[in-house]
Amino acid sequence: EAQVTQNPRYLITVTGKKLTVTCSQNMNHEYMSWYRQDPGLGLRQIYYSMNVEVTDKGDVPEGYKVSRKEKRNFPLILESPSPNQTSLYFCASSSGMDRRTYEQYFGPGTRLTVT
Amino acid sequence: GQNIDQPTEMTATEGAIVQINCTYQTSGFNGLFWYQQHAGEAPTFLSYNVLDGLEEKGRFSSFLSRSKGYSYLLLKELQMKDSASYLCAVSAPYNTDKLIFGTGTRLQVFP
Repeated sequence: EAQVTQNPRYLITVTGKKLTVTCSQNMNHEYMSWYRQDPGLGLRQIYYSMNVEVTDKGDVPEGYKVSRKEKRNFPLILESPSPNQTSLYFCASSSGMDRRTYEQYFGPGTRLTVT
Repeated sequence: GQNIDQPTEMTATEGAIVQINCTYQTSGFNGLFWYQQHAGEAPTFLSYNVLDGLEEKGRFSSFLSRSKGYSYLLLKELQMKDSASYLCAVSAPYNTDKLIFGTGTRLQVFP
C-alpha cells in the first residue's frame, strides 16, 4: 500500500530535550516536505527536499532541522524544543518533476506538545 | 507575496449542495488544489486545476478562473461524512512542488 508514515504519532516532551520525528514514504517520491498546522494559521511549510541531499527552508524553519540521506526518509529534528513548537506536524511527499497531477500525499500527523 | 482567502466556517444540510469559495493573490500561478481534512487526520487530495473551467469528479467539482484569482469547490448530495475542513492551496510560482495553503473552511453537515 502506497503511504507516508510518521512516528511517533503523539509526543509530550519538555523544553530543551532533543527529539526526532521520522517520516518515510514507499512511493519512490523525490519531493518531501514538513508542515506544521496551528489553529487559525493553516498548514505552513517548515522544510522541504527536492531529492537526496537537497533540502531547503520553507516558511517557518526556525528551530527545526532536517536531513535527506535516503530517498524514502525525511526526519524532522528539534534540537531544543520550545513550547511554541507545540503543534500538529505533517510530512508529505510527491513524485516531483515527472508528476502529472502534482498530488501530495500526507502522513497521518504527529501531535507534539512541549511543556 | 501570496494570499489565499476562504470562509472560516459553513453549514449545510444533508442532501444539499454547498459551494466553498477560494480567492488567491499570487505573483505567479502553477495550479490550485483542494484537500479534505477530517478533524485530527491528514489532508487528502480532492482536485487539481491549472486551466480555467470546471473539473468534475463524482459528487465533487472544482472550478477555476485564473483571471479572477478565484476557485470554488462544489459538493453535491451532501453526506454526514462530508463534515470536514476543506483546504484551498496554490502551487508556489517559484517551486511548483511547494503548496501554499489557505486556513481552510470548516464544513458542518446537519441531518
